[in-house]
Amino acid sequence: EAGVAQSPRYKIIEKRQSVAFWCNPISGHATLYWYQQILGQGPKLLIQFQNNGVVDDSQLPKDRFSAERLKGVDSTLKIQPAKLEDSAVYLCASSQGTGWTSYEQYFGPGTRLTVT
Amino acid sequence: GNSVTQMEGPVTLSEEAFLTINCTYTATGYPSLFWYVQYPGEGLQLLLKATKADDKGSNKGFEATYRKETTSFHLEKGSVQVSDSAVYFCALRNTGTASKLTFGTGTRLQVTL
Repeated sequence: EAGVAQSPRYKIIEKRQSVAFWCNPISGHATLYWYQQILGQGPKLLIQFQNNGVVDDSQLPKDRFSAERLKGVDSTLKIQPAKLEDSAVYLCASSQGTGWTSYEQYFGPGTRLTVT
Repeated sequence: GNSVTQMEGPVTLSEEAFLTINCTYTATGYPSLFWYVQYPGEGLQLLLKATKADDKGSNKGFEATYRKETTSFHLEKGSVQVSDSAVYFCALRNTGTASKLTFGTGTRLQVTL
């Protein structure tokens, strides 16, 4: 079974530029998550999709971050314009579902973003 | 709100030493508890989990017991190997419609020969 795919693996941009990350979840997984992992910290959830609907985006900085999952499969996370403090690893994860059942989340390798 | 506190690293051990990484949590209700491991250059992998009080999760020689009375989920292994060198994250998840994971800051383990 193929895992969660993410691209690119690394990205270096200057502040105020824009950047986009792509994620393809495990086939059949309805739920997709984007996490931000700043160096020395644990991952923090940015946004959670159930199929193509947003379940939780309470910690997404909506003035500069956006995400979409138009067909309920792959997803794109965008930052525009980037700030220095956005330097982090962006992790995508997927699971079969949510709710009361304890579905395991499977993580991709992440995209390491450096903003200079 | 939910939070997870882990012991700070790095933890440096010799091969075959005993490992303990402390984890305590704050949460409402009855969360599920997890340990994830991140090997260099790889994504997070679920190592073990426990879904209710007094449950013991175990995998690859690692184990952790869900202690509700002390709100703890300490990770242990009797004899570490060099291949166990990685960053270990404790996490919790409350059941509900948006079952997000709340992670600790991670503990780096370095095992030497």
